[in-house]
Amino acid sequence: EVQLLESGGGLVQPGGSLRLSCAASGFTFTSYAMSWVRQAPGKGLEWVSAISGSGGSTYYADSKKGRFTISRDNSKNTLYLQVDSLRAEDTAVYYCAIIVAAADYWGQGTLVTVSS
Amino acid sequence: DIQMTQSPSSLSASVGDRVTITCRASQGIRNDLGWYQQKPGKAPKRLIYAASSLQSGVPSRFGGSGSGTEFTLTISSLQPEDFATYYCLQHNSYPRTFGQGTKVEIK
Repeated sequence: EVQLLESGGGLVQPGGSLRLSCAASGFTFTSYAMSWVRQAPGKGLEWVSAISGSGGSTYYADSKKGRFTISRDNSKNTLYLQVDSLRAEDTAVYYCAIIVAAADYWGQGTLVTVSS
Repeated sequence: DIQMTQSPSSLSASVGDRVTITCRASQGIRNDLGWYQQKPGKAPKRLIYAASSLQSGVPSRFGGSGSGTEFTLTISSLQPEDFATYYCLQHNSYPRTFGQGTKVEIK
């Protein structure tokens, strides 16, 4: 059974940094590109970033270039999202997901709250 | 970047109604589109992939159609458990983009 378990969310002050993790199990981790999707309270889904199975290619929403860094450790079956210079508008539930034509799996999400 | 314009943003319908939601892409995306259902506090769940293929385990009252720039999600007979928010997502190219969402409410 495919499982994606996010962690690392919490309350962060504006200007701070956070690294989110997504532990994957139940499938061959390198077989899939992985994505981060976020959802601000009461708002729609926003695709943030993706990384290829090998980790050699990364992709970002235009508005996320610069402060967001996606990475993966294939030896640990773990996906990461580093977010720097956090702003109030980064407050959201962050989901890791496999979103490809052949498969679609999502974690339960981790809440990031940016507030002083 | 490809923009996805979804309509309507909300609708009210009754159990048994036929419901149609539309997504328009700013450029052709072949059939690289999925439809998602999301209920409050839950992760999204894909209903349709490749524009018209039903995800395993999804009831057959859900259907998708379209190709290129115009796509439609149809619920043939709305059931109580279908009241939720629906999103389209293009995966033709990066960055991926979601539609703005359609909230389906009880009339």
